[in-house]
Amino acid sequence: AQTVTQSQPEMSVQEAETVTLSCTYDTSENNYYLFWYKQPPSRQMILVIRQEAYKQQNATENRFSVNFQKAAKSFSLKISDSQLGDTAMYFCAFMKGTGNQFYFGTGTSLTVIP
Amino acid sequence: GAVVSQHPSWVICKSGTSVKIECRSLDFQATTMFWYRQFPKQSLMLMATSNEGSKATYEQGVEKDKFLINHASLTLSTLTVTSAHPEDSSFYICSARGPGRRTDTQYFGPGTRLTVL
Repeated sequence: AQTVTQSQPEMSVQEAETVTLSCTYDTSENNYYLFWYKQPPSRQMILVIRQEAYKQQNATENRFSVNFQKAAKSFSLKISDSQLGDTAMYFCAFMKGTGNQFYFGTGTSLTVIP
Repeated sequence: GAVVSQHPSWVICKSGTSVKIECRSLDFQATTMFWYRQFPKQSLMLMATSNEGSKATYEQGVEKDKFLINHASLTLSTLTVTSAHPEDSSFYICSARGPGRRTDTQYFGPGTRLTVL
């Protein structure tokens, strides 16, 4: 079975600062995908960033980047130059390479303070 | 980008009645759709996976007869909450994946808030 753990229920960061959200996972699979989703107050799930496990290079999307440590099964999200619009719940998710199902972490509530 | 819609966005019903929630993929054929349930300040819990034209696969602990899922076409899946009770009040989210879109991800609908009085 796959499990995804987010150990930080709540975090806050000053506007324009950098924050890192943690995520660890447990799997025996070698081929899989990892995701960070953002859920703002509107509740719409928005894909932030995606990482293929076979790629050693960390994914980046503008102000968002990940630190993917496959051996440690760690997948943290770094948000640079935090903006007020980044305030949201952030969910880490895992998907097997051959499967459909997403396994979500419990989420981290991020508040950006003006 | 891929768009998935849900209707209604918010529904209030009386206890004992049934409620149908629609999930539509607007610009791609969704061969697989997923239904999630989310309680306040909690994560998404997968309820069931449905493939077009076949019966849905329910997760352990989800009552098949209470949460009826129909995936009759490549663009529409419905979730019917039968004989709803106050404990069924929750936020229901669908997602979809299919050919023509990245198969390594799911595209989420905006969710439906169900309140059972």
